[in-house]
Amino acid sequence: AQKVTQAQTEISVVEKEDVTLDCVYETRDTTYYLFWYKQPPSGELVFLIRRNSFDEQNEISGRYSWNFQKSTSSFNFTITASQVVDSAVYFCALSEAGNQGGKLIFGQGTELSVKP
Amino acid sequence: DAGVIQSPRHEVTEMGQEVTLRCKPISGHNSLFWYRQTMMRGLELLIYFNNNVPIDDSGMPEDRFSAKMPNASFSTLKIQPSEPRDSAVYFCASSFAGIDGYTFGSGTRLTVV
Repeated sequence: AQKVTQAQTEISVVEKEDVTLDCVYETRDTTYYLFWYKQPPSGELVFLIRRNSFDEQNEISGRYSWNFQKSTSSFNFTITASQVVDSAVYFCALSEAGNQGGKLIFGQGTELSVKP
Repeated sequence: DAGVIQSPRHEVTEMGQEVTLRCKPISGHNSLFWYRQTMMRGLELLIYFNNNVPIDDSGMPEDRFSAKMPNASFSTLKIQPSEPRDSAVYFCASSFAGIDGYTFGSGTRLTVV
């Protein structure tokens, strides 16, 4: 069965600090997809990144970067030089390609608070 | 594209009443998902459809909940009768083949009093 664990429930940092959000997943499939979503205080779920299981290259997008390591079943998310606008709940999610339609299972989320 | 459209945005109803939540997926997407978000349980998958066919409804809490997808452009989630513990934000999402980015609607905040 697929499972996503985000062990950090809440993180608080001061603006300009770097912060890493951890994500550990479980799956029996060899083909799967990993996602990160952001949920700001307004409540919508905003897609950040999708990564497939065959691509372990790290990805960087501006201040955001993602580290995918199959050996440890982790897909961690780092925000460099955090800003107040980064304050949100961040969800890691997993989709197994073997499931018809590929249902997306979420971790419990990490609430990030960036203080000025 | 207008994205995934959910209605209503907010719903307040009395216990025992029937509630119907609506979702219009992105045109061309063939997978549709209903999620419920609460503080205690996080984001739970209730049911998902592929090509309008329900594939997995194991997350539907009980028989009071039902979902339909009569065509590729419309889905409903119905709760009858509603109970206070059903209060939550209900999200609809759609995707193409389930492996591309999943796009979420703005959610329906349901309050049952």
